[in-house]
Amino acid sequence: AQSVTQPDIHITVSEGASLELRCNYSYGATPYLFWYVQSPGQGLQLLLKYFSGDTLVQGIKGFEAEFKRSQSSFNLRKPSVHWSDAAEYFCAVGANQGGKLIFGQGTELSVKP
Amino acid sequence: GAVVSQHPSRVICKSGTSVKIECRSLDFQATTMFWYRQFPKQSLMLMATSNEGSKATYEQGVEKDKFLINHASLTLSTLTVTSAHPEDSSFYICSASSAGGYEQYFGPGTRLTVT
Repeated sequence: AQSVTQPDIHITVSEGASLELRCNYSYGATPYLFWYVQSPGQGLQLLLKYFSGDTLVQGIKGFEAEFKRSQSSFNLRKPSVHWSDAAEYFCAVGANQGGKLIFGQGTELSVKP
Repeated sequence: GAVVSQHPSRVICKSGTSVKIECRSLDFQATTMFWYRQFPKQSLMLMATSNEGSKATYEQGVEKDKFLINHASLTLSTLTVTSAHPEDSSFYICSASSAGGYEQYFGPGTRLTVT
């Protein structure tokens, strides 16, 4: 069965520091992978996605993620975190066109001055 | 592009009443729409998948008679919570995808409070 694991429930980083949020998935075929961000009381905003091709994908707001098939991982990174990046981050895997997404548990990011 | 709206953004209703939440795709045709429920500090839980003109497919454990989903057009899906109770209080989020699309576009969510 498909599953997504985000091992870190809560991460705190200093403003300006680098960030890496971990995501591991379990899926038999090549998955469609997504990272979303959610501010309190809001919907989800897509940061980036991977369908195929280059395994390093660039997203909005300076985020990037790397698909590593051998590790079944799709970690999200940002070289320098801004206070406005504080939010909840969700990794998700999809199986096919128009298919449902399986979400990870989410990682709450706090940014300290 | 690919904007999804939800209405209302917040609703308070009394126990035993029904409440309807609308999900609209504003600039594309949504052949498939999804309804999620999210508890505080938790992830999204898929409730059901609906294809335009077809009956919704509910996830295991979701009561289809309590959460009525209608997807009558390519731009509108509705979720009706019937005979709401306090335990139905939650954040409900819809998403939509177009034909042949891999990506889901999410609405801003609806906060339901049942008193």
